[in-house]
Amino acid sequence: AQSVTQPDIHITVSEGASLELRCNYSYGATPYLFWYVQSPGQGLQLLLKYFSGDTLVQGIKGFEAEFKRSQSSFNLRKPSVHWSDAAEYFCAVETGRRALTFGSGTRLQVQP
Amino acid sequence: DTEVTQTPKHLVMGMTNKKSLKCEQHMGHRAMYWYKQKAKKPPELMFVYSYEKLSINESVPSRFSPECPNSSLLNLHLHALQPEDSALYLCASSLDSGTDTQYFGPGTRLTVL
Repeated sequence: AQSVTQPDIHITVSEGASLELRCNYSYGATPYLFWYVQSPGQGLQLLLKYFSGDTLVQGIKGFEAEFKRSQSSFNLRKPSVHWSDAAEYFCAVETGRRALTFGSGTRLQVQP
Repeated sequence: DTEVTQTPKHLVMGMTNKKSLKCEQHMGHRAMYWYKQKAKKPPELMFVYSYEKLSINESVPSRFSPECPNSSLLNLHLHALQPEDSALYLCASSLDSGTDTQYFGPGTRLTVL
């Protein structure tokens, strides 16, 4: 069965520091992968997506992610974190059933 | 415009009430979704409508009844809910179901007393 794993439940970084959020997937075919961000009590906003082609994907708000087939990973990165980046981040995979399966999420806290 | 709107923002209902959640989009999307999100958990898919027809029902209890009156509107009718149904209910839409990007609304925070 398809699944998405986000190993880090909670991450704290200092403002201005770099960030990497991990995402691993289990899927037999070429996956369609997404990163969403959710502020408390809000809906989800798409940061970026990977369907095919260049494995380094640029998104909004200065985020990027790299697809590594050999490691079944799609990690999210940002070179310099801002206090406004504090939120919950979800990795998701399109399962072939025309729906998304989400990872359990990583809560990002940003220290001043 | 990539906006999905949901009303109401908050809803408190008793276990014997009947209420409805509403979702609307004007992006010409033909797929619409309901997700349920419990606190500190990821969204879980409930229903998918594709071209106004129900295409996926994730074994959701019948006390949740979806309806898609037209391509822009999605409703979720609620009846005889349980306290454990309290959650954030998210609506999403996409150009078509499958790999197209899903755009999410802000959600309805439901509390069942």
